[in-house]
Amino acid sequence: SYELTQPPSVSVSPGQTASITCSGDKLGDKYGCWYQQKPGQSPVLVIYQGNKRPSGIPERFSASNSGNTAILTISGTQAMDEADYYCQAWDAHAVVFGGGTKLTVL
Amino acid sequence: QVTLKESGPALVKPTQTLTLTCTFSGFSLSTSAMRVTWIRQPPGKALEWLARIDWDDDRFYSTSLKTRLTISKDTSKNQVVLTMTNMDPADTATYYCARDYGSGITRYIDYWGQGTLVTVSS
Repeated sequence: SYELTQPPSVSVSPGQTASITCSGDKLGDKYGCWYQQKPGQSPVLVIYQGNKRPSGIPERFSASNSGNTAILTISGTQAMDEADYYCQAWDAHAVVFGGGTKLTVL
Repeated sequence: QVTLKESGPALVKPTQTLTLTCTFSGFSLSTSAMRVTWIRQPPGKALEWLARIDWDDDRFYSTSLKTRLTISKDTSKNQVVLTMTNMDPADTATYYCARDYGSGITRYIDYWGQGTLVTVSS
C-alpha cells in the first residue's frame, strides 16, 4: 500500500520560515493536499492541487511538489500556525495521509 | 454553506457493531464528482481513511478494514451511513465525515464534520 512519510516534529521561531516535508513514491505526480489541525478541532484544508490555497487561507502558506517529495512552507510563521499538519494524496481509490507533523512555534 | 455532522453512540462494547450517520447540507451527493468520505483519528494519533461513497454510488474501503466496513447513502435525506462490525478497543477514535470533491488533479477534501468520539470498552 502507498505510504506518505512526514517528520514527527518541526520547530520554528516566530517570523521565520517553516518547512514541512512529505515523502512518497512519485508523489510529484499526485497533486496532493495539506491539512492543518489544531488541538480539539477538525482538520482544515490549507493546500490543494499541490500548491493552491483555498479561499481564506493566508498567503504565507505555500507548497511545492516534485519527484518524491512535497513541501509545505509557512513564511513569516505566526504563533497561530502552531498545529499538526498532514499531507494527503490519492492512491487509486484510497485516500492516504501522512503521519502528521507537529509544528511548534517558539 | 456546506456543513457535515456525525452522529452515533459515544460508547460501544467490544464485538458490537458501530453505526455512524453523517448528515450533510449545502451540497447534493447526486452531483457529479461529489463524494462523502469517513476518516478516523485515534487519540493522539494520525488521520486514517476508512471508506468513501461517490455520487454514482461507487463505494471504496480501506484495504485493512474492508471486511468490517459498509458504507451507504440516502440521497433524499442527505445522509451517509457507515457501519463497522466487531468493534475492538483499538477502534477507539474520533470519527469524521468529510466532503471529497473534484476530479483529476483538482480534487480535495474541503469540508469536515466536527467529529464524534467513539470509545470501545466493556
